[in-house]
Amino acid sequence: EAQVTQNPRYLITVTGKKLTVTCSQNMNHEYMSWYRQDPGLGLRQIYYSMNVEVTDKGDVPEGYKVSRKEKRNFPLILESPSPNQTSLYFCASSLGDLTPYEQYFGPGTRLTVT
Amino acid sequence: AQTVTQSQPEMSVQEAETVTLSCTYDTSESNYYLFWYKQPPSRQMILVIRQEAYKQQNATENRFSVNFQKAAKSFSLKISDSQLGDTAMYFCAFMDQGAQKLVFGQGTRLTINP
Repeated sequence: EAQVTQNPRYLITVTGKKLTVTCSQNMNHEYMSWYRQDPGLGLRQIYYSMNVEVTDKGDVPEGYKVSRKEKRNFPLILESPSPNQTSLYFCASSLGDLTPYEQYFGPGTRLTVT
Repeated sequence: AQTVTQSQPEMSVQEAETVTLSCTYDTSESNYYLFWYKQPPSRQMILVIRQEAYKQQNATENRFSVNFQKAAKSFSLKISDSQLGDTAMYFCAFMDQGAQKLVFGQGTRLTINP
């Protein structure tokens, strides 16, 4: 089954404790991205990756890091989480330029930073 | 920068009624895509309908249809014969044809009452 998986689905952590949210897709998609969802703001792009070893900032990259060492994986790293990073996070992937509108979303990760 | 605005934070209708969700957007581009996503309580992002800006004909998917007014930069979603399962948050989104980023509106919470 074609899908995007994220882990963990729920995470409660404390300020300053480094964490990683994993994202994996099994569709050989070139393009992957991370979004955060906040009430009243919709979803906003954090980072994206056009291919292996190619990443770039989205609209709200502060406080986040990403890496793309393998085509299928695109982890989101919070090296020193703060309460304002409490949010719902989504990973998404697409084939690329041929069908950019075919975005596949993961199930979401609910992160709470206390 | 492109922006998407949903002016109705919440809406509520009776089952079997027709409901229209509003969306306006701002862009200087001429080629782009517009989307409506549904987010049920499970939080999964589900694509409802897509419209290519170069197509004059409004997109339809079963009970879902759009009213795309390119000159007015308006993209409303009409749900006919609404069902209890339509209860969800609905997001309007924009994608520039040359990019891979979705720009989302703030969302409209739709409740279908029995």
